[in-house]
Amino acid sequence: EPEVTQTPSHQVTQMGQEVILRCVPISNHLYFYWYRQILGQKVEFLVSFYNNEISEKSEIFDDQFSVERPDGSNFTLKIRSTKLEDSAMYFCASSARGLAVYNEQFFGPGTRLTVL
Amino acid sequence: DQQVKQNSPSLSVQEGRISILNCDYTNSMFDYFLWYKKYPAEGPTFLISISSIKDKNEDGRFTVFLNKSAKHLSLHIVPSQPGDSAVYFCAASTYFGNEKLTFGTGTRLTIIP
Repeated sequence: EPEVTQTPSHQVTQMGQEVILRCVPISNHLYFYWYRQILGQKVEFLVSFYNNEISEKSEIFDDQFSVERPDGSNFTLKIRSTKLEDSAMYFCASSARGLAVYNEQFFGPGTRLTVL
Repeated sequence: DQQVKQNSPSLSVQEGRISILNCDYTNSMFDYFLWYKKYPAEGPTFLISISSIKDKNEDGRFTVFLNKSAKHLSLHIVPSQPGDSAVYFCAASTYFGNEKLTFGTGTRLTIIP
């Protein structure tokens, strides 16, 4: 069964450093998302991406964040200068697209980001 | 921003009995509702969904009910099994599910053998 994969599973970085989190969405999906979950809190939406551009972003997704689909398979989230409060589990998700067809989002296993 | 609420942080149910998890929402623009199951250190796993044009959807042991007038949905698991022990998240979306998911805070379900 196709699945969303994410690397690395755990990333430790120093405050102020850049990190890139990688995701390989399900191959025939066209919508891509990043979410995060700070320990003990709810899963929060960061950004959605469709047709090679951001379709929506949350208030959390400020100028320090960027997303890219550098090739036909990878989808990346970059944090330019990490802060302590960026420590969280980051989940990538993807969904197929179809109007008049409801599309569930499928999630990857997550990357645990720890900022020291 | 509490557009999706799960008021019970935890629930314990005897194995073989019915588990009922509840979720309330405030945004009347939501047209698609999903339940996800999550184990620690793993990503949410899609369980079952329902669109706003239906009031019930069934898949094996899992049934989701939607009451649009009350802005309330529930997930029924019957019979409950030990492997069902996990955190369950209710989520909602607009535009056929192609827009962001708004999650509830989750309910930790424990099935007692």
